[in-house]
Amino acid sequence: AQSVTQPDIHITVSEGASLELRCNYSYGATPYLFWYVQSPGQGLQLLLKYFSGDTLVQGIKGFEAEFKRSQSSFNLRKPSVHWSDAAEYFCAVGHTGTASKLTFGTGTRLQVTL
Amino acid sequence: GAVVSQHPSWVICKSGTSVKIECRSLDFQATTMFWYRQFPKQSLMLMATSNEGSKATYEQGVEKDKFLINHASLTLSTLTVTSAHPEDSSFYICSAKGQGRDTIYFGEGSWLTVV
Repeated sequence: AQSVTQPDIHITVSEGASLELRCNYSYGATPYLFWYVQSPGQGLQLLLKYFSGDTLVQGIKGFEAEFKRSQSSFNLRKPSVHWSDAAEYFCAVGHTGTASKLTFGTGTRLQVTL
Repeated sequence: GAVVSQHPSWVICKSGTSVKIECRSLDFQATTMFWYRQFPKQSLMLMATSNEGSKATYEQGVEKDKFLINHASLTLSTLTVTSAHPEDSSFYICSAKGQGRDTIYFGEGSWLTVV
């Protein structure tokens, strides 16, 4: 069965600093990978996804993620964080053969200091 | 972009009663919808897959008689928590997939508090 690990429960960065959120997955074949953001009390917004092709994926709000098969990782990055980026970030992998049914990581809470 | 709406956003119910949560796809036909549950400070856990016109498929450990799912039309799936108890208090969120689409869209979620 697939699984997702987000090693960092909580990260604090200063506004304007760069950000990298880690995500490792366990899956036998080429995975469908996603990053979602959740603001307090709200639903999920898709930041970006990887299905195939270019391993560097660009998303919304200036985020990008790189799929590294050798490391089973799909880390999320942003060069310069804004205060409005403070939220919970979830990495997810699609279940076998589907991009619809997802297994989520435990999430990383991002705090941005001014 | 596609919009998925859930209703209600917040609901408080008494222990032992049932509560229904709706998930609607507003601008596309959703052949499949998914229901997740998220306990405070935890991740989202898939509860069940809802296919239009057929019975829902439940994940291991989820009681199908307690969490009734109905997907009667291509734009609406409902989750009914029957005989709710305080331990059912959680954030319930749905996602929807349209025909021919490879992207799923999440609703805003519904907070259930059972007192």
